[in-house]
Amino acid sequence: DAGVTQSPTHLIKTRGQQVTLRCSPISGHKSVSWYQQVLGQGPQFIFQYYEKEERGRGNFPDRFSARQFPNYSSELNVNALLLGDSALYLCASSFLLLAGVFEQFFGPGTRLTVL
Amino acid sequence: AQRVTQPEKLLSVFKGAPVELKCNYSYSGSPELFWYVQYSRQRLQLLLRHISRESIKGFTADLNKGETSFHLKKPFAQEEDSAMYYCALRSSGGGADGLTFGKGTHLIIQP
Repeated sequence: DAGVTQSPTHLIKTRGQQVTLRCSPISGHKSVSWYQQVLGQGPQFIFQYYEKEERGRGNFPDRFSARQFPNYSSELNVNALLLGDSALYLCASSFLLLAGVFEQFFGPGTRLTVL
Repeated sequence: AQRVTQPEKLLSVFKGAPVELKCNYSYSGSPELFWYVQYSRQRLQLLLRHISRESIKGFTADLNKGETSFHLKKPFAQEEDSAMYYCALRSSGGGADGLTFGKGTHLIIQP
């Protein structure tokens, strides 16, 4: 298993445009989370999806949306891009180990630059 | 609101010296705490979780609920420990598993 995969690796957009980022979780993982990591900061939680339903949302505007497909892959969409949306977008898949122990695995990220 | 604070942006120690990376959290419930590490050109990966009380690569971390801290320690630093370290908190009992991260500490081990 290649682990969590994300595409594309890099993306350059201009202000006002829309972008779609993609994520494939580790085989067998049903939960996908999205994070935004601005340079010099830790990752910030955007969304979590489990079994195709949104389970959690961070403090992000409605311009950010996501969905999860029947094969558990996920897309993150950002509309009306702003310069401040420039960041590394991380996807993580997770599962519950025995006794409720939680583990989350991260992908390599998509670097989005908004000009 | 939950928050994770890592007061040191950069920590530089010599090889063989003890290392302590500080992490304080703010959360009203019973948290799960994690340390994640990112080595150069690699993806973010779990180092250890408080619930397992494990030691990974010589690192340990004890959850101190009284001081709301989860400091990461290693008695003898090695050059391969150089990396970005992030402390993270997962709120318990809710439906979401989103992690709250600190801003990270860049650990540099000098030879």
